[in-house]
Amino acid sequence: NAGVTQTPKFQVLKTGQSMTLQCAQDMNHNSMYWYRQDPGMGLRLIYYSASEGTTDKGEVPNGYNVSRLNKREFSLRLESAAPSQTSVYFCASSDPSTYLTDTQYFGPGTRLTVL
Amino acid sequence: AQSVTQLDSQVPVFEEAPVELRCNYSSSVSVYLFWYVQYPNQGLQLLLKYLSGSTLVESINGFEAEFNKSQTSFHLRKPSVHISDTAEYFCAVMKKSSGDKLTFGTGTRLAVRP
Repeated sequence: NAGVTQTPKFQVLKTGQSMTLQCAQDMNHNSMYWYRQDPGMGLRLIYYSASEGTTDKGEVPNGYNVSRLNKREFSLRLESAAPSQTSVYFCASSDPSTYLTDTQYFGPGTRLTVL
Repeated sequence: AQSVTQLDSQVPVFEEAPVELRCNYSSSVSVYLFWYVQYPNQGLQLLLKYLSGSTLVESINGFEAEFNKSQTSFHLRKPSVHISDTAEYFCAVMKKSSGDKLTFGTGTRLAVRP
């Protein structure tokens, strides 16, 4: 039982390049999330998916797209990377349909640098 | 919209001393409250949460937090810290009515010195 996994762990891009961050969970959770973490700003929600086939914007969605490929996987795509997207990206999952498991479980993060 | 304020960005403390990390929230509706911990180079882990019932909640490693509705606070305390408690601590809120989206504070870095 790996929990939430993210790939890659590190990535360096040049301005204008594209890439996809992958996230998978093996806990059969319905909800999945993408956050970015920047110094002094805490975690900010980029996109979330309440269930397979649905996605919604969070607080900072500009410059990103997401795909909920199936119940396990939720990917984040940067179409044209910008230096302002240099950050640590975290994926999380939860199952709010189950009262006792409303906790969000986080992956280890992807450190992205855009030059 | 709800918001979370963690006024202390860093809290240095000596080992075995008590510590309090402050968290205040603003919301027009009822909320659930959480503390997450992030150890260096890792993701976040749930430390404790308040959903309902007793306003004092405890974690397995000696931390506790008390929900104070009148002061809209959820401060985290530990009577005696260890070097291993060095980490960043995030307070978060979730509106009871809107599913499971969390709003995080900016974090407090706890640095425990020997």
